[in-house]
Amino acid sequence: EADIYQTPRYLVIGTGKKITLECSQTMGHDKMYWYQQDPGMELHLIHYSYGVNSTEKGDLSSESTVSRIRTEHFPLTLESARPSHTSQYLCASRRLTGELFFGEGSRLTVL
Amino acid sequence: AQRVTQPEKLLSVFKGAPVELKCNYSYSGSPELFWYVQYSRQRLQLLLRHISRESIKGFTADLNKGETSFHLKKPFAQEEDSAMYYCALPNYGGATNKLIFGTGTLLAVQP
Repeated sequence: EADIYQTPRYLVIGTGKKITLECSQTMGHDKMYWYQQDPGMELHLIHYSYGVNSTEKGDLSSESTVSRIRTEHFPLTLESARPSHTSQYLCASRRLTGELFFGEGSRLTVL
Repeated sequence: AQRVTQPEKLLSVFKGAPVELKCNYSYSGSPELFWYVQYSRQRLQLLLRHISRESIKGFTADLNKGETSFHLKKPFAQEEDSAMYYCALPNYGGATNKLIFGTGTLLAVQP
């Protein structure tokens, strides 16, 4: 079934750990995005990609990095997690009609 | 830079009452605008887009270029409408594939 999958859904880790949030979509979309949804529920774009080997920083500065080696896969990595990284991370891909299709999100808590 | 403003963080109404969620944008041209909804424990999903002129779940939104608004309306609120609602606008000034989201309005429909 065509969808966008994010794993893990919930993650609680200690400070200094390296984490990778996975995002995969089966719709063949070229354009993919990572948004950070903070406790006030605002959405901020932190990374986007227009296709394989294309990645750009978003509007909100983030210490995370992303990669796009395959069309369907857009993982986000934090080399050394800190409590300030505690947030919900939403992955999305863009349909040809222009709207974004979102995953269920990964809620990260850094202790 | 384009902006999307949702002035109300919380809107509380009684079941059966009319609902209007406000959205104002800053853009001088003819924008493509979206309303997204996030129900409790569900993913962020598209509710409606201005270009399609649809009514989804009883909601409608009309683009008013003079007032630069795209308010979301429903004549009779239902309890199942309780959710977080986001207005969104493409980033025409920069990479047009990005969506700029408002800060969101939490709609609470009381029984």
